[in-house]
Amino acid sequence: DTAVSQTPKYLVTQMGNDKSIKCEQNLGHDTMYWYKQDSKKFLKIMFSYNNKELIINETVPNRFSPKSPDKAHLNLHINSLELGDSAVYFCASSPGTSHVYEQYFGPGTRLTVT
Amino acid sequence: GDSVTQMEGPVTLSEEAFLTINCTYTATGYPSLFWYVQYPGEGLQLLLKATKADDKGSNKGFEATYRKETTSFHLEKGSVQVSDSAVYFCALSTSGTYKYIFGTGTRLKVLA
Repeated sequence: DTAVSQTPKYLVTQMGNDKSIKCEQNLGHDTMYWYKQDSKKFLKIMFSYNNKELIINETVPNRFSPKSPDKAHLNLHINSLELGDSAVYFCASSPGTSHVYEQYFGPGTRLTVT
Repeated sequence: GDSVTQMEGPVTLSEEAFLTINCTYTATGYPSLFWYVQYPGEGLQLLLKATKADDKGSNKGFEATYRKETTSFHLEKGSVQVSDSAVYFCALSTSGTYKYIFGTGTRLKVLA
């Protein structure tokens, strides 16, 4: 059983298109995150939801819109894709917002924009 | 703001060598500290953590001690294996911020 799963694993698309990445966790966690990892492995937080409520919204272009239909799911929709959006996107979850909790990461979605 | 500084990689070692990956942090509050490992093509996995000063986290032969006086959380392993080849991330989280700050990652390559 995969604890945190993401679909798709690979996504190749053209500039200007709109795409979505889905994330699901079966750990019963309250908090979920989206990260972007660039080609140099730098990991940057994008969004976080706690019990379906947005609690972190970093300086991300508003072409990126997260949505949490329930505690177990956090999706990421990207409009008007640009070359610079090419990266690996990771979903993660944690039991709650306490700083003592570790995060559980999904396998990542490699997005390539051509 | 809060930050994590890791040693630049890549680090290349022979099998059974001793490993140290340095990590220092800056935090306005009292953080929890973590080491994560990322194997090729995979997501990050927690390796170990420490939530208060002088705590030692350990897992799979890896250890790190939370040193408040030197604001450090260096990762060590006495004898590395080829299977330890991966990218290692130091991270912190501070109460009330709801987020984690990751270091830039250190790539480790272990040669047989």
